[in-house]
Amino acid sequence: GENVEQHPSTLSVQEGDSAVIKCTYSDSASNYFPWYKQELGKRPQLIIDIRSNVGEKKDQRIAVTLNKTAKHFSLHITETQPEDSAVYFCAASASNFGNEKLTFGTGTRLTIIP
Amino acid sequence: EAQVTQNPRYLITVTGKKLTVTCSQNMNHEYMSWYRQDPGLGLRQIYYSMNVEVTDKGDVPEGYKVSRKEKRNFPLILESPSPNQTSLYFCASSSQGAETQYFGPGTRLLVL
Repeated sequence: GENVEQHPSTLSVQEGDSAVIKCTYSDSASNYFPWYKQELGKRPQLIIDIRSNVGEKKDQRIAVTLNKTAKHFSLHITETQPEDSAVYFCAASASNFGNEKLTFGTGTRLTIIP
Repeated sequence: EAQVTQNPRYLITVTGKKLTVTCSQNMNHEYMSWYRQDPGLGLRQIYYSMNVEVTDKGDVPEGYKVSRKEKRNFPLILESPSPNQTSLYFCASSSQGAETQYFGPGTRLLVL
């Protein structure tokens, strides 16, 4: 089955600096890669996702890049703000009809230092 | 308001006492899923359902059962809970399979 590894497990950055979280996956059939943000005591929420036919996707200060050959994808947050402090999870899925299992990484706790 | 609800939100029980955690969504989503969250292990998928009467195992299905008799409901059943099932459980739903899942508020379960 799919295995998703996520690094680092904790990350602290100064407010205004950039943060990068990296994930690798094992199943070459995986074609959908979402990122979820979980604030303390809250439920996970989707912040951005990418499909395997796209190399990069941006949404304001957040971007995700995908390298299918190397089987890794990364989350980039620029101009970090205190409200970016949370746990971030990457995930991978071979999202085709009949195969909708979603495997998550173990999470990265991001702390923004004011 | 579009939402996923779970009940109960908190539950303390004893080993072997059958329990059910309910999950309901009002968005007419075909896909529903259960996850457990444990420190250092992230979110792990227990079961998912593509539609009514269609369920499939996730990565950690042992000790759990599910049913999907109605589109809006996807209960998680622990027939004989054990302490290693102490965890935070999330239900989620989506109109696009594993994509863009909306999570419920979570159920914190303690098995003594």
